[in-house]
Amino acid sequence: DSGVTQTPKHLITATGQRVTLRCSPRSGDLSVYWYQQSLDQGLQFLIQYYNGEERAKGNILERFSAQQFPDLHSELNLSSLELGDSALYFCASSVRTGPNTGELFFGEGSRLTVL
Amino acid sequence: DQQVKQNSPSLSVQEGRISILNCDYTNSMFDYFLWYKKYPAEGPTFLISISSIKDKNEDGRFTVFLNKSAKHLSLHIVPSQPGDSAVYFCAASSYTGNQFYFGTGTSLTVIP
Repeated sequence: DSGVTQTPKHLITATGQRVTLRCSPRSGDLSVYWYQQSLDQGLQFLIQYYNGEERAKGNILERFSAQQFPDLHSELNLSSLELGDSALYFCASSVRTGPNTGELFFGEGSRLTVL
Repeated sequence: DQQVKQNSPSLSVQEGRISILNCDYTNSMFDYFLWYKKYPAEGPTFLISISSIKDKNEDGRFTVFLNKSAKHLSLHIVPSQPGDSAVYFCAASSYTGNQFYFGTGTSLTVIP
């Protein structure tokens, strides 16, 4: 158990809909990362927050947004969903950000299926 | 643009033999490298890391080698065990960056 909690574990929805994925980082971790893993793809970095502020942005679509709340949990919002958004979405946390971040601790992922 | 590449999607090894998983990167600014292991229906778990100031780091059966001039790293597992069967991801980051770049993974199967 990494200590990172993601909900829901599975989600099935239709094209055009909007969903919210939730992540609770490990106790004490200030930094949250979101990754997308599509079929046969590696982990694609989406976005990172540190103590409530956005710190880095990767290949995140404009239809996607995220935020980190004062209690440090984070939400990833996916809107106007398309079939190609079907993927496993991972949240990871770490204590620090930037230099000497150390390793990331991953949640079990949220599997999104868009029909 | 895949900055971290794992060119072997899969690898099969006999139990007790050595498993060698390879990873190449393109960004010379990367200076911290990690290997993660992922079982089905679970998130990736950290396995071992190496800083660019070293060329080798060992932890039990796992050793990571870094060749900076070739922009190549490898993970050696000796001896391989059936429980090592999983997908292994290589990742890299830079000292000044907040991003970790992951490869596409190599699925290792250790045959009893």
